[in-house]
Amino acid sequence: GAVVSQHPSRVICKSGTSVKIECRSLDFQATTMFWYRQFPKKSLMLMATSNEGSKATYEQGVEKDKFLINHASLTLSTLTVTSAHPEDSSFYICSARDRAGITWTQYFGPGTRLLVL
Amino acid sequence: DQQVKQNSPSLSVQEGRISILNCDYTNSMFDYFLWYKKYPAEGPTFLISISSIKDKNEDGRFTVFLNKSAKHLSLHIVPSQPGDSAVYFCAALPFNTDKLIFGTGTRLQVFP
Repeated sequence: GAVVSQHPSRVICKSGTSVKIECRSLDFQATTMFWYRQFPKKSLMLMATSNEGSKATYEQGVEKDKFLINHASLTLSTLTVTSAHPEDSSFYICSARDRAGITWTQYFGPGTRLLVL
Repeated sequence: DQQVKQNSPSLSVQEGRISILNCDYTNSMFDYFLWYKKYPAEGPTFLISISSIKDKNEDGRFTVFLNKSAKHLSLHIVPSQPGDSAVYFCAALPFNTDKLIFGTGTRLQVFP
């Protein structure tokens, strides 16, 4: 099946620093990637939809200046958490939609655990 | 407003028996329903889906049933195996969008 990777898998940073998380589709082209956030014992919350070559679409309540998304190629999307604070600590998961696939074919990355101290 | 609900946070089942995971939804404008399996610190893995025009879809040990009048779907795993122990999320895909809406998950534990 299709593979989506995320890097890093885990990151610990100081409050106030910025952290970049990469999401790559390894064996398919993804015109659309999604970024989710999962709080402990909670559902996956869609943060934004990332479209290759255009601006990301953010869900209501998600600060676009806080969570910068760049989808520069058909295989790479990045999420940058700017000026991270402890409340940004969470599990961030990306998914990618196969360009050649039907609408609901989303493949998920393994996630990135962010801990802001 | 939780459009997709999984009211049972956890389920414990003996190996070899049937596991039934339930999911309810409030919106009639969903096109597809999907089940994902998730291990700790990993991304969700797609298991099985069902179109809103179907009422059953089967794939090996996994069967999903859809009851549109009750706005309810369920995932049956039979026979259950210890490796099935994970968190299971149901998700719904509205018409004309590719944004999945996830339920809160049910933790399944299969014991020997």
